[in-house]
Amino acid sequence: DAKTTQPTSMDCAEGRAANLPCNHSTISGNEYVYWYRQIHSQGPQYIIHGLKNNETNEMASLIITEDRKSSTLILPHATLRDTAVYYCIVRATDDKIIFGKGTRLHILP
Amino acid sequence: NAGVTQTPKFQVLKTGQSMTLQCAQDMNHNSMYWYRQDPGMGLRLIYYSASEGTTDKGEVPNGYNVSRLNKREFSLRLESAAPSQTSVYFCASRRTSGLGETQYFGPGTRLLVL
Repeated sequence: DAKTTQPTSMDCAEGRAANLPCNHSTISGNEYVYWYRQIHSQGPQYIIHGLKNNETNEMASLIITEDRKSSTLILPHATLRDTAVYYCIVRATDDKIIFGKGTRLHILP
Repeated sequence: NAGVTQTPKFQVLKTGQSMTLQCAQDMNHNSMYWYRQDPGMGLRLIYYSASEGTTDKGEVPNGYNVSRLNKREFSLRLESAAPSQTSVYFCASRRTSGLGETQYFGPGTRLLVL
């Protein structure tokens, strides 16, 4: 079973910041939080990952709560091309990586 | 670098036929994975290989076999295809099994079993 909980879908206006939440209350101390997205019919694309500090790259920012039980992916200026399913994943202790159902993000013009 | 490549892109099979899905990566990655994705669903792990010569079952291994032929190639075989195996199959690779390593995906193989 996936170790994360995400809303099924979200809407965001074009040009605004999209904030995608993820709960991972059973995360272990050495497990990372990863975010991927999947644009229709393509393979998933890596976005960002982090352990406990907030992270930022050219695509997004990742905010992890101090207790590490939840995180938020932030797309600072959403565009129509950001419409996709976004997956929050907690890295398992063995080599398996389990995807949940993700959040379907709709960017509205 | 081509990254992760998959062949074929599309395939139609009749129930009971067999086929092998091919996956190759040119990034010198140790770990490789096979996922399936049914319409409107998330990805489910079928099998993975943490290193050359090793394979392990994922969430939904029944009806599939895999071969890690060498470091570059990881194939998925359907011995007797069933309509329930109609899906999009994604292969992925990752440099090591260590934490903090990114997984890269191929473009997918769309399989229809009649």
